Amino acid sequence: GNSVTQMEGPVTLSEEAFLTINCTYTATGYPSLFWYVQYPGEGLQLLLKATKADDKGSNKGFEATYRKETTSFHLEKGSVQVSDSAVYFCALRNNNNDMRFGAGTRLTVKP
Amino acid sequence: DVKVTQSSRYLVKRTGEKVFLECVQDMDHENMFWYRQDPGLGLRLIYFSYDVKMKEKGDIPEGYSVSREKKERFSLILESASTNQTSMYLCASNPAQPYEQYFGPGTRLTVT
Repeated sequence: GNSVTQMEGPVTLSEEAFLTINCTYTATGYPSLFWYVQYPGEGLQLLLKATKADDKGSNKGFEATYRKETTSFHLEKGSVQVSDSAVYFCALRNNNNDMRFGAGTRLTVKP
Repeated sequence: DVKVTQSSRYLVKRTGEKVFLECVQDMDHENMFWYRQDPGLGLRLIYFSYDVKMKEKGDIPEGYSVSREKKERFSLILESASTNQTSMYLCASNPAQPYEQYFGPGTRLTVT
C-alpha cells in the first residue's frame, strides 16, 4: 500500500542553519507529494507541493523536489528562523484520492 | 479565504459519554475527512465523505461514526468515549480537484 516515511525528530537547529528533513514514499502509480506545517496550537497548513516527477515545490524559502528514481521528497531550507519552529509532515495523495501522512518531524530553531 | 472551523478547541469528557465533534467548511468542497493525530503516529484517517449522506471508513473507524447531512458540515461521533480516544482530532476538506487538503485548527479531546 501507499506510505510515507520521514526522518524522526526532534530536530534542533540554530538560527540561520541549513535544514533538511528527509521523506521517502512507497506508492503505486504517480502520486502527488506535499509538505504540510503545523505551528503550535494550530491545524496543518499546506507548505508546498509537487504533482509530477522532477517538479520542485517552493514556498517561504522552503523547497522540495519530487525524485521518482529515489522515491523521495526531501524538504530543505537554506537559513532557518525561529519562526520556522513547527512540526512538518510529508504526505502523498494517489489517484484514488487516498492521502497518507508521515509521522511528522518537530523542528525547533534556537536564536 | 479558505476556512475550516471546528466546534471546540479543547474538550474534556467522561468515559462512556457520547461526544460530538463538529466541522464546517465554507468552500463548497465535496470531500471532507476526520483524522486523529497522536505523537509518533502522524495523522490517521478515521472516516471520510465524498458527498452529502455518503461516508467511507478510513483506517481506524472502530468506536466512531460520522454524519454528513449538509455539504458544509461533517460531524464525528464517539458513541461511548473511552480513554484511548484521548487525542487531537483534525477535520479537513478538499474540492474534487486539486487534491490538497485544508485543515481546521483541531480539537484536543481528553477522556477521563
